[in-house]
Amino acid sequence: NAGVTQTPKFRILKIGQSMTLQCTQDMNHNYMYWYRQDPGMGLKLIYYSVGAGITDKGEVPNGYNVSRSTTEDFPLRLELAAPSQTSVYFCASGNEQFFGPGTRLTVL
Amino acid sequence: AQSVTQLDSQVPVFEEAPVELRCNYSSSVSVYLFWYVQYPNQGLQLLLKYLSGSTLVKGINGFEAEFNKSQTSFHLRKPSVHISDTAEYFCAVISNSGGYQKVTFGTGTKLQVIP
Repeated sequence: NAGVTQTPKFRILKIGQSMTLQCTQDMNHNYMYWYRQDPGMGLKLIYYSVGAGITDKGEVPNGYNVSRSTTEDFPLRLELAAPSQTSVYFCASGNEQFFGPGTRLTVL
Repeated sequence: AQSVTQLDSQVPVFEEAPVELRCNYSSSVSVYLFWYVQYPNQGLQLLLKYLSGSTLVKGINGFEAEFNKSQTSFHLRKPSVHISDTAEYFCAVISNSGGYQKVTFGTGTKLQVIP
């Protein structure tokens, strides 16, 4: 079991660029989550999914989009990157939330 | 509104001493409670959870926590810390209401174990 994998590990974007953060889990979990972590702020939920084809907004969804076409994959899309989206992004799966290693994103 | 408060942003403690990391929450519905540990440049790892039943919950690495409904607290404790426990600890609350799940994390407590 690889658990939860995230790619890429690091990325630098220019303002206005777009990108997709990938998240894959091999534990057959229905629940999957995307968080961002900023220093001193804890984790904020961006989007979550309760199963394939079903997604819902979390606390800070603006500027992001998600899709869930399969149980395994839950990509996070940034359409027009802004400096405020500089953060570390974590994907998690399952009711107990098994976390991936994170993606460190910088928007310049 | 649902919220989680970790009052202590940093807790220094000597090796082999006991430690308590505090977590208080607020919610209008029933909640599930979690503690996670994060080592530098890594993701979060589940330490323990309270879903129902016994209010004293034991987790990995010798940690335990007690759910106190009247005080809306879920403090994390360890009787004797090791250097390897130096990390950041996060308390989290999950609730389900009207088919919508709400997840709230505290801002974290950095535990520094001093040799």
